[in-house]
Order: sequence, then C-alpha cells, then structure tokens
Amino acid sequence: GAVVSQHPSRVICKSGTSVKIECRSLDFQATTMFWYRQFPKQSLMLMATSNEGSKATYEQGVEKDKFLINHASLTLSTLTVTSAHPEDSSFYICSARGGQGATYTFGSGTRLTVV
Amino acid sequence: AQSVTQLDSQVPVFEEAPVELRCNYSSSVSVYLFWYVQYPNQGLQLLLKYLSGSTLVKGINGFEAEFNKSQTSFHLRKPSVHISDTAEYFCAVSSGYSTLTFGKGTMLLVSP
Repeated sequence: GAVVSQHPSRVICKSGTSVKIECRSLDFQATTMFWYRQFPKQSLMLMATSNEGSKATYEQGVEKDKFLINHASLTLSTLTVTSAHPEDSSFYICSARGGQGATYTFGSGTRLTVV
Repeated sequence: AQSVTQLDSQVPVFEEAPVELRCNYSSSVSVYLFWYVQYPNQGLQLLLKYLSGSTLVKGINGFEAEFNKSQTSFHLRKPSVHISDTAEYFCAVSSGYSTLTFGKGTMLLVSP
C-alpha cells in the first residue's frame, strides 16, 4: 500500500532556530500534500495544503512566513518552522493525496520540542 | 461546508466485548467517509473508508462501519476488542477532492 515517510520522528531545538521536517511518498506520486498540527489530546488542525510546483495555501491564522512549505517534487514536501519558539512545540503530521480512490496517506508524525 | 461530530470523547470497554464508536457528519454534497486510528506519538493509520457502493464497509483489524445516509452517520464497530485496540480513533469526511475534515476523536480504552 501507499507509504509516506516522515522525518525526523522527534526533534528538540533551541528557541530562535529553524527546523525542517520532510515527508516523502515512497511508492506513489503525491499531487497534494497536507500539513497538520496536533495539540495533546486534540484533533488534527490543518495548517496548509500544497500542490506540487505551486505555492502552498495556508489556513486562516497560520503564519506563512513562519511555517514555510515547499513541494518541489511529486514525492517530497518539507515544512520548515522558522525562528521556533516554545509555543511552536507540537506534533506535526503530513498527509499525501495521490494514487487511486481519493486516498489520503499519513506520515508517522514529528514531535517538535522547542526549549 | 462539512463537519464531523464524534459524540463520545472516551469509550471504556472490557476486552472481548463489542464496541461502537459513533460518528455523524454534515455536508451539502456527496461525501467520502473515513475512520483512522492513532497510537501514541504516531501518525494516522487508515482503518476503512466509504467511497461508494455497499454501505457496510469492512476494514483492517476486524473493524467495520456502516454508512447511513438518512441518519448522516458512519459508526465504527468491532464485535470483540483486544487490549491492543486501545488508541485514539478519528472519523473524517471529504467531498471529492476537498481536504479532510476530522472529528475531535474518540479514545477507546480497553481493559482486561
């Protein structure tokens, strides 16, 4: 079946630094990638949608200059959290849509802790 | 606009008992419906999905769900749960190529 590889699984960074999270679709072409944020014991909050080769569409309230999304190829999308602060600490999950049957495949998530 | 309501935030159940996790949706157009499971610190794994056809959908790990258009429901069931089924379960809806809209999740707690 479809697999999305997300790395790193967990990262700790200092306040003010930037962190890049990668998502790769391993056996299918992901025409659209979604990035979610999940707070403890809560549902997933959609941050942005990106289509290969075009600019991402951000949800209301999400800072596009802080959460940089790149979807340069049909198999790779990256989320860069710039100038991270402790309030950015969260669980980030990517999802790829592609292949047959309106399939959404999720990465395994990245636990970001900003200290 | 579309929305999903998961009526129970937490469902405790004993091992080998049956369970039903409830999900209701609202949408002005035809929908695709999904159930996902999330284990701690992991991404979401697809349990099953309804796109069209038979309203009874069978998924992985012995789960099944029934699409009821008149009641706008897509409840998830399992006849006999295991300790390993303890996890968070999310119901989600999309219409065509729109984004997924998730419910708030239901924590299934299976005890011996």
